[in-house]
Amino acid sequence: DGGITQSPKYLFRKEGQNVTLSCEQNLNHDAMYWYRQDPGQGLRLIYYSQIVNDFQKGDIAEGYSVSREKKESFPLTVTSAQKNPTAFYLCASSIGTADLDGYTFGSGTRLTVV
Amino acid sequence: QKEVEQNSGPLSVPEGAIASLNCTYSDRGSQSFFWYRQYSGKSPELIMFIYSNGDKEDGRFTAQLNKASQYVSLLIRDSQPSDSATYLCAVNRNSGGYQKVTFGTGTKLQVIP
Repeated sequence: DGGITQSPKYLFRKEGQNVTLSCEQNLNHDAMYWYRQDPGQGLRLIYYSQIVNDFQKGDIAEGYSVSREKKESFPLTVTSAQKNPTAFYLCASSIGTADLDGYTFGSGTRLTVV
Repeated sequence: QKEVEQNSGPLSVPEGAIASLNCTYSDRGSQSFFWYRQYSGKSPELIMFIYSNGDKEDGRFTAQLNKASQYVSLLIRDSQPSDSATYLCAVNRNSGGYQKVTFGTGTKLQVIP
């Protein structure tokens, strides 16, 4: 079955540590996105990529980095510069950049700072 | 003014009733509108999208769009306890050649058996 796989499901980060969240899709979608969800704040866009080897900052990119070396993969690194990383991270994809058909979401990664 | 606004709820309806969820948006250039359902601790799931003024029906779900009033709603007929979830409204508009999607904060629906 086609879909988006995020791993790990739960992740614990120590202060000053970089961590990488994995996102893989087999839907043959061109566009991929990373969102962060905090209670009461809805989904906020971190980064998006419309094609391989290209990506753009979203609304809250500071403290995060991404790469898009393969169409199927869009990993997100949460760096030590991100001061409040505890959140639910969602990866999504869409057929193309038009986004007219909506997103398919992965199951999410819950990141906690310890 | 928020780009996409929803009442956070909770909205409580008895089983079998019609649940009405509302969303307003600020950008008149918005082109497409989505409703996602999110169960607690899970990721959002797309349930409806609408582009044109009027109603769009899919099973027990009806999306309604009124671009003049900048208002989109979701009706759930014959509500079931399994419909209890948070419903996210999302609005798509063209921003510098990129189709930007903005999400509301969601309305929590509780269907009482």
